[in-house]
Amino acid sequence: SAVISQKPSRDICQRGTSLTIQCQVDSQVTMMFWYRQQPGQSLTLIATANQGSEATYESGFVIDKFPISRPNLTFSTLTVSNMSPEDSSIYLCSVGPAGGERTQYFGPGTRLTVL
Amino acid sequence: GQQVMQIPQYQHVQEGEDFTTYCNSSTTLSNIQWYKQRPGGHPVFLIQLVKSGEVKKQKRLTFQFGEAKKNSSLHITATQTTDVGTYFCAGRTSGSARQLTFGSGTQLTVLP
Repeated sequence: SAVISQKPSRDICQRGTSLTIQCQVDSQVTMMFWYRQQPGQSLTLIATANQGSEATYESGFVIDKFPISRPNLTFSTLTVSNMSPEDSSIYLCSVGPAGGERTQYFGPGTRLTVL
Repeated sequence: GQQVMQIPQYQHVQEGEDFTTYCNSSTTLSNIQWYKQRPGGHPVFLIQLVKSGEVKKQKRLTFQFGEAKKNSSLHITATQTTDVGTYFCAGRTSGSARQLTFGSGTQLTVLP
């Protein structure tokens, strides 16, 4: 199994500022994913981050708004730039598939509130 | 793009009653996974189904994958208060083998 930690666990930010979320995995993984989960909603994939290459963004998400770094096989960051209240959400880091069951593992999430 | 829908969105049951959530994909899936998210928690993997018509059981939970590999269900027998949470299905297609598309989720409330 993979153990994932995220920092910060929660933050309250002002409109127009940026926040960088860190994701640390206890083992080397090829692919890391960033998801967003708005209150009471399902999970939406923001982007896939591979080490050594540009992140691949899903429709509706752009690099200028959500720049991602992936400097090595155990770490990634997601920045939420020029925040607005609509960015208030839980941001989850995920790795996988892994193991015989092809499990996807999720970090504990970062709860972001933008005022 | 691929869409995965779940029904019902909400379900309230009395403790001891059964519960079922249904998942439907707009495209054929290579596999489907089920996750449980407790209130305030993150999604936790429950199971993966791969084969057409597959049925798997985990204690009181029964998971099915449709013959056409486009739908799935999760059935809980005799619910307990510990079953409270949101249940998500998530599917992978062969064209995007590493990406999961999550269903809308079913929020289960169990009344004691």
